[in-house]
Amino acid sequence: NAGVMQNPRHLVRRRGQEARLRCSPMKGHSHVYWYRQLPEEGLKFMVYLQKENIIDESGMPKERFSAEFPKEGPSILRIQQVVRGDSAAYFCASSPPTVPGRPQHFGDGTRLSIL
Amino acid sequence: AQTVTQSQPEMSVQEAETVTLSCTYDTSESDYYLFWYKQPPSRQMILVIRQEAYKQQNATENRFSVNFQKAAKSFSLKISDSQLGDAAMYFCALHTGANSKLTFGKGITLSVRP
Repeated sequence: NAGVMQNPRHLVRRRGQEARLRCSPMKGHSHVYWYRQLPEEGLKFMVYLQKENIIDESGMPKERFSAEFPKEGPSILRIQQVVRGDSAAYFCASSPPTVPGRPQHFGDGTRLSIL
Repeated sequence: AQTVTQSQPEMSVQEAETVTLSCTYDTSESDYYLFWYKQPPSRQMILVIRQEAYKQQNATENRFSVNFQKAAKSFSLKISDSQLGDAAMYFCALHTGANSKLTFGKGITLSVRP
């Protein structure tokens, strides 16, 4: 499967635990985006990364949330000390560089449930 | 700042009929791109169609076409010969050259009646 791979598909955490969401972009894509979808809502941008760089994190909550895209390995969205309000579907998308208006290809998402 | 508005939360269409989903947007950029994404119950995000703002010709992909009215900042999606598999949420999205994020509307739930 050459698409964007996200895992896990479903993640259950108790309040106060940490959640780690992983995203492997499509082959040849060096740009990764994370979006959050609350129930009955559209997707909201969180962060845009290139390899080893955070380009735009204007949509990230100031506390408890962090993202990285290391030189090797998948992009990670990390949520510390989760709360009930973090329950949502988290989508990763990737795109190739240097193509204006390049469509973003999405993974299947990770559904995070907080008990 | 960019905004995307989908004012109809739900629509219904009879199988084999045609339906149009509305979307308006706002941006101060002159270079931008518009997309429609489909999200079926499986929750995948599937790209349906893409439109470059500098192109006057409306994009078409098989049964899907758009009516792009740049002056009115309107970008509607027309689905012809609707099929049961078209039932899903549809999101309109805006991408500008100034930043790389997509700005999504709230979506519209389309149901298809057999």
